[in-house]
Amino acid sequence: AQTVTQSQPEMSVQEAETVTLSCTYDTSESDYYLFWYKQPPSRQMILVIRQEAYKQQNATENRFSVNFQKAAKSFSLKISDSQLGDAAMYFCAYLEYGNKLVFGAGTILRVKS
Amino acid sequence: GAVVSQHPSRVICKSGTSVKIECRSLDFQATTMFWYRQFPKQSLMLMATSNEGSKATYEQGVEKDKFLINHASLTLSTLTVTSAHPEDSSFYICSARDTGGGQPQHFGDGTRLSIL
Repeated sequence: AQTVTQSQPEMSVQEAETVTLSCTYDTSESDYYLFWYKQPPSRQMILVIRQEAYKQQNATENRFSVNFQKAAKSFSLKISDSQLGDAAMYFCAYLEYGNKLVFGAGTILRVKS
Repeated sequence: GAVVSQHPSRVICKSGTSVKIECRSLDFQATTMFWYRQFPKQSLMLMATSNEGSKATYEQGVEKDKFLINHASLTLSTLTVTSAHPEDSSFYICSARDTGGGQPQHFGDGTRLSIL
């Protein structure tokens, strides 16, 4: 079974600084999708960014970018110019084509003003 | 963008009551919907996969007689917590997948269930 590991239970970042959240996964598949979801205190699940495994180029969405290392099975999220509104729980997730999402344990991100 | 509506957002009821939670895809058809349970500061735990017109597939350890799932149409799945007890108190979230297998799941806003 696929597993997703987020080794950082909590992270802190100063406003306007950059922070990187780690994620590793285990799979024997070659074609799959990876996602980062944000869950603020309202508990809505918000899609931050997605990466398709067959694409070598790292995905970017405004201040959010990923470092996708397929051989190492690593998928980290970089948040640049952190804002107070970025404070949330962040989940890394794996989706094998046609199958269910597998979530990591999550990382709580605190942003200091 | 795709919207999933989940209702109610908050339920407080007495022990022994059955509670129904609805999950609707508002602007797309969802042949597959998912039901998750989340404890405070923990990850989402998949409970079951709901397939339109067929029986739901439950994850290991989830009691199918306790958590009844019905997916009678392409836009609606329901989760009924039968004879709820305090240990069933939790945050329940549904999601729906609209096209293909690689599209992200669209999540409802969740239901906070409190059993007294």
